[in-house]
Amino acid sequence: RKEVEQDPGPFNVPEGATVAFNCTYSNSASQSFFWYRQDCRKEPKLLMSVYSSGNEDGRFTAQLNRASQYISLLIRDSKLSDSATYLCVVRIRGFQKLVFGTGTRLLVSP
Amino acid sequence: EPEVTQTPSHQVTQMGQEVILRCVPISNHLYFYWYRQILGQKVEFLVSFYNNEISEKSEIFDDQFSVERPDGSNFTLKIRSTKLEDSAMYFCASSEVWTGKGQPQHFGDGTRLSIL
Repeated sequence: RKEVEQDPGPFNVPEGATVAFNCTYSNSASQSFFWYRQDCRKEPKLLMSVYSSGNEDGRFTAQLNRASQYISLLIRDSKLSDSATYLCVVRIRGFQKLVFGTGTRLLVSP
Repeated sequence: EPEVTQTPSHQVTQMGQEVILRCVPISNHLYFYWYRQILGQKVEFLVSFYNNEISEKSEIFDDQFSVERPDGSNFTLKIRSTKLEDSAMYFCASSEVWTGKGQPQHFGDGTRLSIL
């Protein structure tokens, strides 16, 4: 089983739409959770950390369900500039390394 | 906003040659990392470095790889005898501290390594 699993997509949505991505992780010792975005052939950029109580940053909302080992990202009012690959990333307790999912590709069209 | 910088942006090397990839982490950061991403695949951890020594490494980081902080600003990844399968994007990252509470890591814009 993959450590971090994501639907690769692509998700094709019109501007203004709301879109949600899900991610599951296999290691119950996972302690820290992040969403990064990656544009084509560019570096991963931190979008937001994910906290147990859920958190929001503008149009972006992240949720964590530790019991189900599940993380989600909701994007409201999609913009063309949101087109990218969204990477679900976890850090396991006692380790420094980040474990990446393969990413979910989002395409926002006019 | 402070950023991690990497040089060169693209390195083309013959198989069997040595390469050195360079990184300047964010100045007040204490933890440094190298990751790689083979085209079309996920980002994979190679090594982390703290207090002038390797603190964690993956199975990928075998004897052909080494890291060094030669001065107060640079952090380098050396691949001694490159193989075709070393072709990838190599990302350097840094984080301020490791509190166990999940300090995010900030990535440089990468070095594309092409082995011929």
